[in-house]
Amino acid sequence: DAMVIQNPRYQVTQFGKPVTLSCSQTLNHNVMYWYQQKSSQAPKLLFHYYDKDFNNEADTPDNFQSRRPNTSFCFLDIRSPGLGDAAMYLCATGRGGGYGYTFGSGTRLTVV
Amino acid sequence: SQELEQSPQSLIVQEGKNLTINCTSSKTLYGLYWYKQKYGEGLIFLMMLQKGGEEKSHEKITAKLDEKKQQSSLHITASQPSHAGIYLCGADTSGAGSYQLTFGKGTKLSVIP
Repeated sequence: DAMVIQNPRYQVTQFGKPVTLSCSQTLNHNVMYWYQQKSSQAPKLLFHYYDKDFNNEADTPDNFQSRRPNTSFCFLDIRSPGLGDAAMYLCATGRGGGYGYTFGSGTRLTVV
Repeated sequence: SQELEQSPQSLIVQEGKNLTINCTSSKTLYGLYWYKQKYGEGLIFLMMLQKGGEEKSHEKITAKLDEKKQQSSLHITASQPSHAGIYLCGADTSGAGSYQLTFGKGTKLSVIP
């Protein structure tokens, strides 16, 4: 089945130690998104790629970076995780223009 | 920016009861999505509404978008424990030239057997 896969499901990292979360898709969608969702809060968009064009939300901290080496893969890099970065990170894909969005199962990040 | 208000924030119902969750937008909705999320998991797509007055149903869940396209409701008939979770509405801003979903804060539903 075509889908959006996030790895790992659970990630524990040390305070200040760089960490990378990955997302892959078999849907061949143009757009890939990264959302951050903290406990009991709505998912918050961090950034998205429309093809190779990177779009950063204005309030996304510089500590968060993203890479999209090809259509299928997108990575979220947190350069120096702080305790406040502990959250569920959701990857989603879309075709743009209101054709729908497909979410992965998420990666729950714990910072110790 | 698009803001979505969901109500209620949480809901506890007895199994078999009907319930309604509301989602109100500060701007015209170009597309309205409903998702369900179990604790610690990703979002499961339920329904998408785009036209004023549109109504869609799947099993015991019905979603409606009002004529003015600023309010949506999600109705569950004869609730079951499997319906428990967090329901999120998302606004598609594609009509405004961007391509992203903005979410409400969610409604936490608990169903008591």
